[in-house]
Amino acid sequence: KQEVTQIPAALSVPEGENLVLNCSFTDSAIYNLQWFRQDPGKGLTSLLLIQSSQREQTSGRLNASLDKSSGRSTLYIAASQPGDSATYLCAVRTDSWGKLQFGAGTQVVVTP
Amino acid sequence: DAGITQSPRHKVTETGTPVTLRCHQTENHRYMYWYRQDPGHGLRLIHYSYGVKDTDKGEVSDGYSVSRSKTEDFLLTLESATSSQTSVYFCAISESKNGGYNQETQYFGPGTRLLVL
Repeated sequence: KQEVTQIPAALSVPEGENLVLNCSFTDSAIYNLQWFRQDPGKGLTSLLLIQSSQREQTSGRLNASLDKSSGRSTLYIAASQPGDSATYLCAVRTDSWGKLQFGAGTQVVVTP
Repeated sequence: DAGITQSPRHKVTETGTPVTLRCHQTENHRYMYWYRQDPGHGLRLIHYSYGVKDTDKGEVSDGYSVSRSKTEDFLLTLESATSSQTSVYFCAISESKNGGYNQETQYFGPGTRLLVL
């Protein structure tokens, strides 16, 4: 069974520092990997999707890499801001029906 | 937000009562999903649908049933609610801008907070 792990569970950084969030998965047979942001009490917002054939994907200050063979993805957020404070979740798509297996998330606090 | 709404947004009910949660989408997406989110477990798939009247079980389907009689609506029913079903329930759709499973992105609704007393 696919297992997805996000370490650390929480981190705090001062404003302006770059954020590095890690996601690992046990089975490399994935269709894609998606990163989400979740604010307290809210739904999930899709940030980036990396297809299984891609190595990285970028959107503004966000960059996500994928190393399928080693079962790892990293989300980089450049020049963090207090508004980046949220929980970040990664999820891998495991089959053609679209089932996602989620990590437990990393809670990020960016201090002014 | 891919035009997804969920109702009700909050509900308090008593153990043993039936509860139905509704997910409504406006963009004719074929695939729809129900997840629950719990501290310590993250998000887990309950049921999913790949078309009208076509549904299947996910990872944590015991105690839940679903129905999809129209493309736009996906209903989740707790036949007899239990305290262990207290959770936040999210509906999602799958969308591909360019076709192909690898490019399908899932978008989530705002969630329903359910408390079973």
